[in-house]
Amino acid sequence: GAGVSQSPSNKVTEKGKDVELRCDPISGHTALYWYRQSLGQGLEFLIYFQGNSAPDKSGLPSDRFSAERTGGSVSTLTIQRTQQEDSAVYLCASSLARSNEQFFGPGTRLTVL
Amino acid sequence: AQTVTQSQPEMSVQEAETVTLSCTYDTSENNYYLFWYKQPPSRQMILVIRQEAYKQQNATENRFSVNFQKAAKSFSLKISDSQLGDTAMYFCAFMKSPLGAGNNRKLIWGLGTSLAVNP
Repeated sequence: GAGVSQSPSNKVTEKGKDVELRCDPISGHTALYWYRQSLGQGLEFLIYFQGNSAPDKSGLPSDRFSAERTGGSVSTLTIQRTQQEDSAVYLCASSLARSNEQFFGPGTRLTVL
Repeated sequence: AQTVTQSQPEMSVQEAETVTLSCTYDTSENNYYLFWYKQPPSRQMILVIRQEAYKQQNATENRFSVNFQKAAKSFSLKISDSQLGDTAMYFCAFMKSPLGAGNNRKLIWGLGTSLAVNP
């Protein structure tokens, strides 16, 4: 069965440009999470989606970051006016609503020059 | 706020030997879950083992076992009969027990331990 997929695998962009990162969760998983993995800072929670409920955006570091989840499935994380400190691996995870096990995608490595 | 601390940035072990990775956490919650995840160079985060705080019995998964000391807020991972494929970053993570089906089950992570298994 298909796991969580993310695209692109790697993204290099110039400072000031906008980027979109995509996550396809496991079919049937209603919960979706975005995490950021930075050197020296470990992993940090960014945003959580559950079904049709309003997302928990409490982890987003600035208003340059936003995310959508269309049709309860695919999610897109958008970073506007990228900065060098946005360089990181962005991981997406999905799970069943009542499950404590999160399944992760392979991540997108973002490099901002 | 919850915090997770992994005090060993790097460790190494000989193939077939046993190694223990340390993790401590801080929380005022009584109900929660603890996890060990493995991240090989492929970046794919893989669940190794999990523990519910209300269970006194330590979790085991084949060669992987934990030593959960709730009062000491300690959650170490023991890998027995280490294999070359165990080489990876290992992350300890904490999850507050959610109150409902729709509540955020975000993970709070330690900084990780890089484990090298040597032939």
